[in-house]
Amino acid sequence: EAGVVQSPRYKIIEKKQPVAFWCNPISGHNTLYWYRQNLGQGPELLIRYENEEAVDDSQLPKDRFSAERLKGVDSTLKIQPAELGDSAVYLCASSLMGQRLTEAFFGQGTRLTVV
Amino acid sequence: RKEVEQDPGPFNVPEGATVAFNCTYSNSASQSFFWYRQDCRKEPKLLMSVYSSGNEDGRFTAQLNRASQYISLLIRDSKLSDSATYLCVVTLRGDKIIFGKGTRLHILP
Repeated sequence: EAGVVQSPRYKIIEKKQPVAFWCNPISGHNTLYWYRQNLGQGPELLIRYENEEAVDDSQLPKDRFSAERLKGVDSTLKIQPAELGDSAVYLCASSLMGQRLTEAFFGQGTRLTVV
Repeated sequence: RKEVEQDPGPFNVPEGATVAFNCTYSNSASQSFFWYRQDCRKEPKLLMSVYSSGNEDGRFTAQLNRASQYISLLIRDSKLSDSATYLCVVTLRGDKIIFGKGTRLHILP
């Protein structure tokens, strides 16, 4: 069974440019998460979807970040314009909502470098 | 106060030693608890769930104290392959998953 798939794996862009990340969760998983992980830190939640609804986006910097999950499956995360401080690994995860113990499965992440 | 706090690392321990990680969480309504492992430049992966009664998986033992809002992970007879970052994870109501900063472990030969 395929795991969570993210693309691209790496992205280098100049500041002020836009960038987009794509995530395909595990088939059947209705909860999707976007996390940002800085070096030496744990993943920090940016946004959480239940199906196509964003149920928690309190940590998403809405002035420059946007996300969507059309049809409740794939998701994209966009940054426009990117800033130097946005350099990090962006991790997508999915889980099956409603389980007694919710395990999140992660993709390999997109490593973003803003120069 | 951060929602999930872990020991600051790194821990450098000789092979064969016993290592203990500690974690505290601030939200008393937290529902599920986990330890994840993250290798360098890899994604986090579930190591083990943590149950109120405590649970063991080979050399790994996890414990939960709900009254103290405290979680622990013990690794016995540590191996070189145990070197990684260990992340304490708490799930809130509604499947909100919160990660600690992680504690890096280096097992020394």
